[in-house]
Amino acid sequence: DAKTTQPNSMESNEEEPVHLPCNHSTISGTDYIHWYRQLPSQGPEYVIHGLTSNVNNRMASLAIAEDRKSSTLILHRATLRDAAVYYCILIQGATGTASKLTFGTGTRLQVTL
Amino acid sequence: DGGITQSPKYLFRKEGQNVTLSCEQNLNHDAMYWYRQDPGQGLRLIYYSQIVNDFQKGDIAEGYSVSREKKESFPLTVTSAQKNPTAFYLCASRPGGGASGANVLTFGAGSRLTVL
Repeated sequence: DAKTTQPNSMESNEEEPVHLPCNHSTISGTDYIHWYRQLPSQGPEYVIHGLTSNVNNRMASLAIAEDRKSSTLILHRATLRDAAVYYCILIQGATGTASKLTFGTGTRLQVTL
Repeated sequence: DGGITQSPKYLFRKEGQNVTLSCEQNLNHDAMYWYRQDPGQGLRLIYYSQIVNDFQKGDIAEGYSVSREKKESFPLTVTSAQKNPTAFYLCASRPGGGASGANVLTFGAGSRLTVL
């Protein structure tokens, strides 16, 4: 399974944009890039996903490098409620294959006033 | 509302006892997963199942067992062979049996197991 690399932690001021990077240099052509976040003592929740093109939704934006070896989750205006651990994972798009979904350690985002 | 229900939320057990964690989903998802999370750490995959009556070991399956007799249920048993079972356990599911990378994971709220 392709692996991802993220910084252990990042800090942001409230109301400022946050760019969370993820490296996935061994990504295959059919792997989707997914982002999830986990608040303390809760299960992770879905944030956004993409394949090749940049994606936007109500929570965030996902910028995918042209060679797909890295991506960036963008929170346009961080709030205290965005303080969480953010995970970037790759999910195979090929049909008929078992999908062993492996998470890394994620990036712990701290948001300060 | 559809979702994943994990129970119990908190569980205490004595050393040497087996314990079973429940995971039920009403999302009609084919694939289900169990993860373990230790304090300050990421998620580690224990077992996963693509379809009923089929499951595969993840990265840390030793000391755990699962069954998948029904599509909506994927219970995890933590056996006495698991040397350090105190952890936060998370169940997740996904539609389509893992066939499409666009299918999103849905997680339960987790079960916190403490061995006394």
